[in-house]
Amino acid sequence: GAGVSQSPSNKVTEKGKDVELRCDPISGHTALYWYRQSLGQGLEFLIYFQGNSAPDKSGLPSDRFSAERTGGSVSTLTIQRTQQEDSAVYLCASSLAGTPNEKLFFGSGTQLSVL
Amino acid sequence: KQEVTQIPAALSVPEGENLVLNCSFTDSAIYNLQWFRQDPGKGLTSLLLIQSSQREQTSGRLNASLDKSSGRSTLYIAASQPGDSATYLCANNAGNMLTFGGGTRLMVKP
Repeated sequence: GAGVSQSPSNKVTEKGKDVELRCDPISGHTALYWYRQSLGQGLEFLIYFQGNSAPDKSGLPSDRFSAERTGGSVSTLTIQRTQQEDSAVYLCASSLAGTPNEKLFFGSGTQLSVL
Repeated sequence: KQEVTQIPAALSVPEGENLVLNCSFTDSAIYNLQWFRQDPGKGLTSLLLIQSSQREQTSGRLNASLDKSSGRSTLYIAASQPGDSATYLCANNAGNMLTFGGGTRLMVKP
């Protein structure tokens, strides 16, 4: 596609439920990133995928968070047993090859609200 | 741990003014420094990327500078317009991830 696409754009869920957030990167981009933007915390790195390499999961805040990237393209971020502090905007980004001096292209994000 | 700070947190200026947004970071071992723009309810749009070996980058009315030794970057916006109103974020890249500042929320009044 023309840009990074994320779905849903908004998600409201009850505490304790599981949620799945989807990211479609720009076609041909091998690197994919997930970030979280919350009030008072700014933008935080969550996870990074590069080709077939093992993902960098160093930013995941707890074992309730996991992410997959199937076929080197679409990625799903899963949050199990959601808590109110998980409420945030979850942003996905992609870049062509994942080298440090590349620009990242961000999607519009998924606004997650946990009641 | 890398920390990135942006000052001011919010800025309101009349249309036509030149303005400077500031970004400071604690670890000078970076690959690059990037400036992004974020409109309400939207993702981030990359504005400028300054590699660690560079001193500045320019795009239209925007000019970004980088001083690695002092851990500072500035974004200069010339002849500001109401359409420039947005949140501006700086981020440095020390590897697989970007570390972001808290942003400067800019309002340009007609």
